[in-house]
Amino acid sequence: DTEVTQTPKHLVMGMTNKKSLKCEQHMGHRAMYWYKQKAKKPPELMFVYSYEKLSINESVPSRFSPECPNSSLLNLHLHALQPEDSALYLCASSQDRQGRQPQHFGDGTRLSIL
Amino acid sequence: GQNIDQPTEMTATEGAIVQINCTYQTSGFNGLFWYQQHAGEAPTFLSYNVLDGLEEKGRFSSFLSRSKGYSYLLLKELQMKDSASYLCAFSSGGYNKLIFGAGTRLAVHP
Repeated sequence: DTEVTQTPKHLVMGMTNKKSLKCEQHMGHRAMYWYKQKAKKPPELMFVYSYEKLSINESVPSRFSPECPNSSLLNLHLHALQPEDSALYLCASSQDRQGRQPQHFGDGTRLSIL
Repeated sequence: GQNIDQPTEMTATEGAIVQINCTYQTSGFNGLFWYQQHAGEAPTFLSYNVLDGLEEKGRFSSFLSRSKGYSYLLLKELQMKDSASYLCAFSSGGYNKLIFGAGTRLAVHP
């Protein structure tokens, strides 16, 4: 069982909808990440939060808006998405932002845009 | 620049040993990580190397040579459930940015 919990597991939304993806971890990790993964491709980094501050935005369109309310929670707010945004969205966490500790992934949210 | 390369597909026999190779190039290197991903599921962390040498975790071992930009994942006593994609990734920069390879699809047959 993963120690990073993502909800919902599946989400279908129209292009005009607003929805949010949620991620929670209770391992005391201080770095959290959002990735996007298309079918048969590796995960691609979207955002990095370190100590609840946004540290990296990989030139992600503004229709994706991340939020880190506290050290255990990470949200991804979605608005006016496009069909090409359909993908598996993965949350991950690591002990800190130093690259010598592994990232642990949640089960992901499978997003479909109609 | 940064790049990472691993074979696209491999096949192996149940009970055997398989080695999945990974080569990488980067100017900043923090560590090398291996993940397993079954179709439609999230990646699961398997093993990692920060320093040169072999790290052993049960049936899985990973090796790193930083001077050669080379790593491998060794899977022993293969089981059918080991059929999956294996992702090699290195961490670069000050914020643990993971750069993933395209993944190696391993098929284990009886």
